[in-house]
Amino acid sequence: GENVEQHPSTLSVQEGDSAVIKCTYSDSASNYFPWYKQELGKGPQLIIDIRSNVGEKKDQRIAVTLNKTAKHFSLHITETQPEDSAVYFCAASRGYKLSFGAGTTVTVRA
Amino acid sequence: DSGVTQTPKHLITATGQRVTLRCSPRSGDLSVYWYQQSLDQGLQFLIHYYNGEERAKGNILERFSAQQFPDLHSELNLSSLELGDSALYFCASSPRPGTTQYNEQFFGPGTRLTVL
Repeated sequence: GENVEQHPSTLSVQEGDSAVIKCTYSDSASNYFPWYKQELGKGPQLIIDIRSNVGEKKDQRIAVTLNKTAKHFSLHITETQPEDSAVYFCAASRGYKLSFGAGTTVTVRA
Repeated sequence: DSGVTQTPKHLITATGQRVTLRCSPRSGDLSVYWYQQSLDQGLQFLIHYYNGEERAKGNILERFSAQQFPDLHSELNLSSLELGDSALYFCASSPRPGTTQYNEQFFGPGTRLTVL
């Protein structure tokens, strides 16, 4: 089955700085890579996703890049704000089943 | 708010008992997925239903079962509960095939199960 590894497990950044989270996947047939943000006491919220026919996607302060050859993808958050503090999960799938990374706890220091 | 609803929010029960968790997908979505989130296992896929039919199984124990009803709501039944079943259980739904977002999954707020 698909195995997704996510790094780092925790990330502390100064407000206004950038945050980068990296994930690798094992199944070369995976073609959909979403990122979720989970705040305390809430369910995961889809914040951005990328499909295997695209190398990069951007939505305001958030961007995701995908390197299919190396089987890794990354989330970039620029100009971080206190409300960006949360747990972020990457995932990969080639159908309907999502395989999740272990999560990254991001803390934005004021 | 994702549009996916789950009840109850919290559930406290004893070992050996049986509970039922309920999920209503977003309006128009035919697929429902169940996930378990525990501290040591992360988010684990349990099962996927599409329009009332089971489509895929993940790491779901035999003591657990699910179904999706004609009105598309789904229930996850957990029986002979053990301490290790304590976790957050999430339901997600996705748009129907044929749409460009067909494999996007939208999660509900979850049910926190505590087994004492």
